[in-house]
Amino acid sequence: QKEVEQNSGPLSVPEGAIASLNCTYSDRGSQSFFWYRQYSGKSPELIMSIYSNGDKEDGRFTAQLNKASQYVSLLIRDSQPSDSATYLCAVNMFGYGNNRLAFGKGNQVVVIP
Amino acid sequence: DADVTQTPRNRITKTGKRIMLECSQTKGHDRMYWYRQDPGLGLRLIYYSFDVKDINKGEISDGYSVSRQAQAKFSLSLESAIPNQTALYFCATSDPGSDNEKLFFGSGTQLSVL
Repeated sequence: QKEVEQNSGPLSVPEGAIASLNCTYSDRGSQSFFWYRQYSGKSPELIMSIYSNGDKEDGRFTAQLNKASQYVSLLIRDSQPSDSATYLCAVNMFGYGNNRLAFGKGNQVVVIP
Repeated sequence: DADVTQTPRNRITKTGKRIMLECSQTKGHDRMYWYRQDPGLGLRLIYYSFDVKDINKGEISDGYSVSRQAQAKFSLSLESAIPNQTALYFCATSDPGSDNEKLFFGSGTQLSVL
């Protein structure tokens, strides 16, 4: 099992709709979870972090964490064309004895005007 | 603005050549990282350093070496480049005293090994 999995293919959503991205992870000891956004040809930038079970909202973004099921998700409400990017899930693999981030392969989101 | 700077931005080299990618930062962060990004594989950690005297292998360190010359400088070397090292390389920093594990990335170096 990969450490962090993002299995969905490219996601196309109409402008104004909700985009939903999912991520699962393998390390039950993980305590920190992040979503990075990466525009084409650019470097990743942090958009959300979450550490406790439940929902965390920041503007149009909501991160959801369920440690028992080992998944974390990202919702983008009222999607805008500027949200078109690849979204990377990252998990702190502390349970493996070295405090490092593992990244999923990313999910591409295309918002259609 | 405090920044993470990578040089060069693009590099084309030949198989067997030694190449060095450089990273410098003005953020004052102790922790520095080298990642590579390949299409469909995401970001993978090559090496990381939590301070000047600390160097750690990541998940794909074979074929690479690093040097932490100062708090602000962390370089990545490919001793004998091979074509499957063609990738986009990112340097990153983090400050454990602030947002836990928030990474600040440089602009990346696109490396092509022919």
